[in-house]
Amino acid sequence: AQSVSQHNHHVILSEAASLELGCNYSYGGTVNLFWYVQYPGQHLQLLLKYFSGDPLVKGIKGFEAEFIKSKFSFNLRKPSVQWSDTAEYFCAVNRGGRDDKIIFGKGTRLHILP
Amino acid sequence: DAGVIQSPRHEVTEMGQEVTLRCKPISGHNSLFWYRQTMMRGLELLIYFNNNVPIDDSGMPEDRFSAKMPNASFSTLKIQPSEPRDSAVYFCASSLLAGDNEQFFGPGTRLTVL
Repeated sequence: AQSVSQHNHHVILSEAASLELGCNYSYGGTVNLFWYVQYPGQHLQLLLKYFSGDPLVKGIKGFEAEFIKSKFSFNLRKPSVQWSDTAEYFCAVNRGGRDDKIIFGKGTRLHILP
Repeated sequence: DAGVIQSPRHEVTEMGQEVTLRCKPISGHNSLFWYRQTMMRGLELLIYFNNNVPIDDSGMPEDRFSAKMPNASFSTLKIQPSEPRDSAVYFCASSLLAGDNEQFFGPGTRLTVL
């Protein structure tokens, strides 16, 4: 079955530290990849997405992610985090084409110390 | 566009009562998803519709849960009878089938069953 694995369940960093959250998926065909963010008490919002083209995707708020097809990975990065980045981050995959269901990972809770 | 609209935003009810959650997807979107989020189980897909037709309801936990989409602009998720373990945040999301299938989430309904 198709699955998405997020390796870190809870990450704690200090402000200005660099961030990398791991994400691997299990589907071997064409995929659309997403990172969603959920700030405390809010709904999920799109951070960035990969559909096609350049595998290095830049999103909002200085986030970026790199699609490495050979590794089935789509890791999220940010060079310098801020306290306002405290949130839960979800990696998600869609098989593309006519399959519109998105499979979400279990999420990574990021806590930034001021 | 107003985005995905959900009502009510908060619902407190007693065990055994019927609960109806409502969702209005983004105009023009033809796929609609119902999710449930809890601390213990994370984000779970309950059911989704394409062009008002239920496609996959395998995530619906029990027969107490039912969902309808009578037209392209409205969907309901009903729990009858409700139980304390149904307490969760219920999110509705919509997307445009074909394309990158990005899902847009509503603000959620926080349900508490006493």
